[in-house]
Amino acid sequence: EVQLVEFGGGLVQPGGSLRLSCAASGFAFVPASMNWVRQAPGKGLEWISYITRGGTTIKYADSVKGRFFTSRDDAKNTLYLQMNSLRVEDTAVYYCAGDGGNSQNWGRGTLVIVSS
Amino acid sequence: QAVVTQEPSLTVSPGGTVTLTCGSSTGAVTSGHYPYWFQQKPGQVPTTLIYDTKNRHPWTPARFSGSLLGGKAALTLSGAQPEDEADYYCYLFYSGGRVFGGGTKLTVL
Repeated sequence: EVQLVEFGGGLVQPGGSLRLSCAASGFAFVPASMNWVRQAPGKGLEWISYITRGGTTIKYADSVKGRFFTSRDDAKNTLYLQMNSLRVEDTAVYYCAGDGGNSQNWGRGTLVIVSS
Repeated sequence: QAVVTQEPSLTVSPGGTVTLTCGSSTGAVTSGHYPYWFQQKPGQVPTTLIYDTKNRHPWTPARFSGSLLGGKAALTLSGAQPEDEADYYCYLFYSGGRVFGGGTKLTVL
């Protein structure tokens, strides 16, 4: 069974940092490109980052560029999102999701609340 | 970054047909954008209905079909059922990354 499980969400003050993890199992993670997607409360889906096999290519949405950093540890089948300089508008449920042929694979998300 | 546009809301009668569209600020949507369509019901994780313009997953009801129409990606629902009431998001691939549309809230009424 394919599983993507996100960890690391929580409450953080504006300007703070948080690192999210996504543990993958049940599919071939190493060759898979992966995405981070977020959804603010009551709002639509927003793609925020993409990482290819081996971390060769990493892309970011303009809204997070320079503040968020995506990485992966293929030995641990884990995807990471380092979030710095957090803003109130970064409050959202953060999902990790497969790309391309794995796009049907989504985690259940982890909630990040940025508030003072 | 590109902006992907969808109708904010649509209503369809039970058993009726409706087409949702997905446009790109960069020009015509083509198969090279690999259009995806996701369905999301309240409190649930999005699920993929259509990938690469027109391909259904095994769990996608046959009443959903994807296409390119007039420079946009399109999702057509033929024979709407009450359980199809949901938010629908298109998703396009660009060289700079991926972009979701703003979503269409579909009401079956």
